[in-house]
Amino acid sequence: GQNIDQPTEMTATEGAIVQINCTYQTSGFNGLFWYQQHAGEAPTFLSYNVLDGLEEKGRFSSFLSRSKGYSYLLLKELQMKASASYLCAVREDDYKLSFGAGTTVTVRA
Amino acid sequence: EPEVTQTPSHQVTQMGQEVILRCVPISNHLYFYWYRQILGQKVEFLVSFYNNEISEKSEIFDDQFSVERPDGSNFTLKIRSTKLEDSAMYFCASSERTSYNEQFFGPGTRLTVL
Repeated sequence: GQNIDQPTEMTATEGAIVQINCTYQTSGFNGLFWYQQHAGEAPTFLSYNVLDGLEEKGRFSSFLSRSKGYSYLLLKELQMKASASYLCAVREDDYKLSFGAGTTVTVRA
Repeated sequence: EPEVTQTPSHQVTQMGQEVILRCVPISNHLYFYWYRQILGQKVEFLVSFYNNEISEKSEIFDDQFSVERPDGSNFTLKIRSTKLEDSAMYFCASSERTSYNEQFFGPGTRLTVL
């Protein structure tokens, strides 16, 4: 079984930084992914961590601690178009992704 | 930029009818997946497919569901006898040479069962 937890909602101001936390308890671990999903659209890939540490990719950074079962996604220099749902997903084995319920981020002017 | 495509974008059907959802994965990708998302809920894995066979499936993927790669480009999900609770957005995804790459999702088919 699997348990992937992330906050339901977060609000931030344009230009600010927001950190979205994800904790997981899964039967296996073969990588953690962050996806962005705008309402009614498909998830789009943001970042991938399989080793501990920070991965930086422009305005996005993602951190992983496997021993703690913890990851965060950092959104920097927030733009209005960053308002979306952010999905934490764990690959437990070779194939499937198990998703958290998503964090809805609202960016205010 | 290559992308996963899905047809139709919206399908309305009567309970008990068969539906086929179609996907064209990215052309050099070898691993294919179906996920579904019931409105307001999380994305759920249904099935993965590699080398012309199912590599993994979830408990949701029962005997009413089947997948097929009928030719070199299409990947289909068939639901034999739809139920009301099958109403959801169905996403196809594909990944590259190994399963360790990110999965690219298509735009989805919204299935409404009446």
